[in-house]
This record gives sequence, C-alpha cells and structure tokens, in this order.
Amino acid sequence: DVKVTQSSRYLVKRTGEKVFLECVQDMDHENMFWYRQDPGLGLRLIYFSYDVKMKEKGDIPEGYSVSREKKERFSLILESASTNQTSMYLCASSSPTGAIYGYTFGSGTRLTVV
Amino acid sequence: AQSVTQLDSHVSVSEGTPVLLRCNYSSSYSPSLFWYVQHPNKGLQLLLKYTSAATLVKGINGFEAEFKKSETSFHLTKPSAHMSDAAEYFCVVSLKTSYDKVIFGPGTSLSVIP
Repeated sequence: DVKVTQSSRYLVKRTGEKVFLECVQDMDHENMFWYRQDPGLGLRLIYFSYDVKMKEKGDIPEGYSVSREKKERFSLILESASTNQTSMYLCASSSPTGAIYGYTFGSGTRLTVV
Repeated sequence: AQSVTQLDSHVSVSEGTPVLLRCNYSSSYSPSLFWYVQHPNKGLQLLLKYTSAATLVKGINGFEAEFKKSETSFHLTKPSAHMSDAAEYFCVVSLKTSYDKVIFGPGTSLSVIP
C-alpha cells in the first residue's frame, strides 16, 4: 500500500513562529499536494508540486510556502504563523494520472496557533 | 466556474436503513468524480471513482454511486447502513485542464443510530 506519512499528528505553535509541516510518501509518486481542511469548507488546495524543485500555487497560498528538494518529501512552511492558520493540514500524493486514479492522503496534522 | 455542492451537511440514519448522500457538480469539462470517506482522526480514503466508463460505480464497503450527466449529480448510496459507516464523506471533482484541478465538496457528516 502507498503510504503518505505526516511527521506530526498534533502541533501547537505560537503566533509569529515559523512552522514546518513535513510529508513523506514511499511510492515514488511525482505529484504531491498540501490541503487545509476546515469545517464546512471541505479541503482547499494550498500548494502542489509535480516534480522535484517544482511548485505551483493552489487556491489559498497566502501565508504559506513549500519546499520539494527530494521526490518523496514535500514540506509546507508557515513563514509567520497566525491564529487564522489554525486548521487540519492534509498531505496527498498521486501518480501522473492522479486525476483518474485518485489521491492517497496522509492522516493529517492538526495545527493550533496560539 | 467549477464547483461541487453537497446538499446536506449532516445526515443521520438508523442502522440497517439505506444511506443517500447527495452531490451535484458544475463543470465545463468532462470530469472524473470521486467519493472519499474520512473516519475520525484518519486520513481520507477513496470509496469509489467515476472516470467516464459505466455510470453506476461500485466501491468499497457496499457503497455505490450513479453518475447522471443530465442532472450533473453523483449521489452516494448504500442499501443498509452499518455503525462503522459513521464518518465524513467528501464528493470530489477532478478536471483535466492545464493541470489536474481537484475540487472538494464541503463534506457530509453521516451519523448512524443503533
């Protein structure tokens, strides 16, 4: 089975801190994605990457950046955490035909910014 | 504009009775359609997918969905609810544009009453 592993299940950070959320997949997938999940809003795409060192903005990139130095690892960075970034963050990966076969998701990181 | 609507934010059924979770989409493209399930504290799991083959799609755990192009709908059904079906369900549209654009619905929370 494809595994997408997110390094932390729960995180509590202070306002203004720089926060790193890590995601690793073990199936050599080209595509990786970061979403945030909020009640009543479903999942919203923050950033995605189709290749190493490549990144594209999603629908809500403001306040975030990403890094993909290796194919299996996709990091989400909150440059200066704010309370409105308190949310569940989900990482996903897929093969190049991901639109057909769907995504594999990690279990999520619940981030609280105080 | 493309969008996904899940008509009910919460559905409650008794164990052993049918389940109907409704999804409508709006798209200028020929979409692929998915249903995902998220159990508490777990990642999203693919239930089933429609990719322009048979309009009635069978998924895991006894779920199925029917693609109706004339109604732009992709409702999820199950003949008999089980306690383990209690979860959040997301309808997802994937569009083959310049990249694989994926749109999540807001989610429907399913409760199963013993």
